[in-house]
Amino acid sequence: DPKIIQKPKYLVAVTGSEKILICEQYLGHNAMYWYRQSAKKPLEFMFSYSYQKLMDNQTASSRFQPQSSKKNHLDLQITALKPDDSATYFCASSQPTGDAEQFFGPGTRLTVL
Amino acid sequence: GDSVTQTEGPVTLSEGTSLTVNCSYETKQYPTLFWYVQYPGEGPQLLFKVPKANEKGSNRGFEATYNKEATSFHLQKASVQESDSAVYYCALRAYAQGLTFGLGTRVSVFP
Repeated sequence: DPKIIQKPKYLVAVTGSEKILICEQYLGHNAMYWYRQSAKKPLEFMFSYSYQKLMDNQTASSRFQPQSSKKNHLDLQITALKPDDSATYFCASSQPTGDAEQFFGPGTRLTVL
Repeated sequence: GDSVTQTEGPVTLSEGTSLTVNCSYETKQYPTLFWYVQYPGEGPQLLFKVPKANEKGSNRGFEATYNKEATSFHLQKASVQESDSAVYYCALRAYAQGLTFGLGTRVSVFP
C-alpha cells in the first residue's frame, strides 16, 4: 500500500485559476514538506510543517499556501496560476528531528496553460 | 545559503563496471547528508543517509563516505546493473528545514 498519497497524479489548469494539491501520509510522521521539480529548478524545497505548524517557508510568492487540516495531511493551494508554475510537486514526510530521513510521494504534475 | 554540487551527467556505463558520482557541498551549519534515486515518473527514493563525518552510508550495493575535511560524499557502486539506470541526487539538510538537492546525475547502464 502506498505510504504517501498525492492527488491528482496529473493536473491541467488555465492561467489565473486556482488549484489544490492533496497529500496524505500514513507513515506516522509529524513533519511534512512540499518540494517542486521543474526543468528550470530541479527539486526545490518550498515549505515544511511540524505538528501542523509552519516551520519554514522558502517560497517567495504568497500564491502558494499550504493547508494542514489533519496531522497526516498537508495540501498545497496555488492561486492565480501562471505558466511558470508548471512543475511536478512532491510531498514528503519525516520524523520531526533535524537528521531524519524524508520520504517522498509520487508527485502531482501540474501544467498551466 | 547551502549548496550542493554533483557530477554533471549523463553518465553511460556498461553492466558490471563501477560507478562514481561526485558530490560536494557548502554550508555554514553541520549537515546531514543523503543520497536519493529517482526513476521516471516517480518521486525521489531515499538510498541512504550519512549523518556523521567519516562515517559510511550504504544500501543496495551503493555506498558513500562523508569526508568532512573535503566537504564531499561521493556515491560509489562496484558493479552496476541495468536496473541502476536512474537519476541520482545528493542532498543535505543543514540550516533550512528542507533538503537542498544537487542538480542530479542521470546514469544509464547498458547490457
